[in-house]
Amino acid sequence: AQKVTQAQTEISVVEKEDVTLDCVYETRDTTYYLFWYKQPPSGELVFLIRRNSFDEQNEISGRYSWNFQKSTSSFNFTITASQVVDSAVYFCALNDYKLSFGAGTTVTVRA
Amino acid sequence: DVKVTQSSRYLVKRTGEKVFLECVQDMDHENMFWYRQDPGLGLRLIYFSYDVKMKEKGDIPEGYSVSREKKERFSLILESASTNQTSMYLCASNLGAGGRDTEAFFGQGTRLTVV
Repeated sequence: AQKVTQAQTEISVVEKEDVTLDCVYETRDTTYYLFWYKQPPSGELVFLIRRNSFDEQNEISGRYSWNFQKSTSSFNFTITASQVVDSAVYFCALNDYKLSFGAGTTVTVRA
Repeated sequence: DVKVTQSSRYLVKRTGEKVFLECVQDMDHENMFWYRQDPGLGLRLIYFSYDVKMKEKGDIPEGYSVSREKKERFSLILESASTNQTSMYLCASNLGAGGRDTEAFFGQGTRLTVV
């Protein structure tokens, strides 16, 4: 069974629009960690943000923000005022016992 | 900077060959992982290791084995390569016992083609 579900396969926006990426996860553990990674066209995965299961406070870091809701097992990620350089595949990941990734969402930002 | 280095960027092998994919990290990380990445399926965990000589099956271990004789090196072995193992293979490592709370660092990937 898929532990991390990213329902959006592809998103296309025009520059300066906001982009929200959905992530739903499944775990029986009470202690776990959630991550978002970015894979630009160059191919190497880059860590973006992390959240632990005890901290539901939502945060903003630059143009990135995230919304963690334990009640719905969701960990959504928003890019504000998107730029062409944000074009990439974005992966949500869960680490409870092993590090599991979703299928990824391809974001295309058009100039 | 953390460096995770995979021995080959591109590899072409014949069906039935034994294939070794090597991964080395230079930051003394306890945990290492092997994934394969296929379009529409994301990253799927093949095997992972939390310590030297220790290994655990991931979600798709069939047809693969691993070896971790030294802390910095984690090898993925395809005992008898098949065409359905054509894929991009990614190695990763992270820090800490259990390592659930630290981000993973990834290698550049090995694109393996089995013909």
